[in-house]
Amino acid sequence: AQSVAQPEDQVNVAEGNPLTVKCTYSVSGNPYLFWYVQYPNRGLQFLLKYITGDNLVKGSYGFEAEFNKSQTSFHLKKPSALVSDSALYFCAVYSWGKLQFGAGTQVVVTP
Amino acid sequence: GAVVSQHPSRVICKSGTSVKIECRSLDFQATTMFWYRQFPKQSLMLMATSNEGSKATYEQGVEKDKFLINHASLTLSTLTVTSAHPEDSSFYICSARETTGTGTYEQYFGPGTRLTVT
Repeated sequence: AQSVAQPEDQVNVAEGNPLTVKCTYSVSGNPYLFWYVQYPNRGLQFLLKYITGDNLVKGSYGFEAEFNKSQTSFHLKKPSALVSDSALYFCAVYSWGKLQFGAGTQVVVTP
Repeated sequence: GAVVSQHPSRVICKSGTSVKIECRSLDFQATTMFWYRQFPKQSLMLMATSNEGSKATYEQGVEKDKFLINHASLTLSTLTVTSAHPEDSSFYICSARETTGTGTYEQYFGPGTRLTVT
């Protein structure tokens, strides 16, 4: 079965420091991977996706993610976190016509 | 980017009544729409997939007679929670997949509907 795992329930980072949110995948064949962000009581906002091509994917709001086939990872990164980046982040894999979401990682950015 | 709206954003209803939630794709046509349920600080649980003009496909464990889904047009899908009970209280999110020929597999999400059953 296709799945993604987010090993951290919460990531705490100080404003201005680099932010990394981890995601690993288990997929047969080529993975289609996504990152979404959710603010309280809101739907999901698309950040970026990897379908094929360059392993480094740049997305919205200064986020990027690196697809690493050997480590089966697709970690989300931002060089300098903002307080406004505090939210719930979901990694997802496209499988059989549906998105399978990870459990989510709460990011807390402190001033 | 493509916009998906949901209405209402919040609804409170009495136990035993039915509630309808609308999901619209505002600036694109969506052959396929998805309905998710989310509990506090948890991931999204896919409830069902609906294709325009055909019956919805429900995920295992989701009662199709309780959660009625209609996808009557390429821009509108509705979820009706019938005979609602307090355990149906949750955050319901719809998502629409744009109909393109490029196979981008991108889904756009609505802002969600908070249902509280008293």
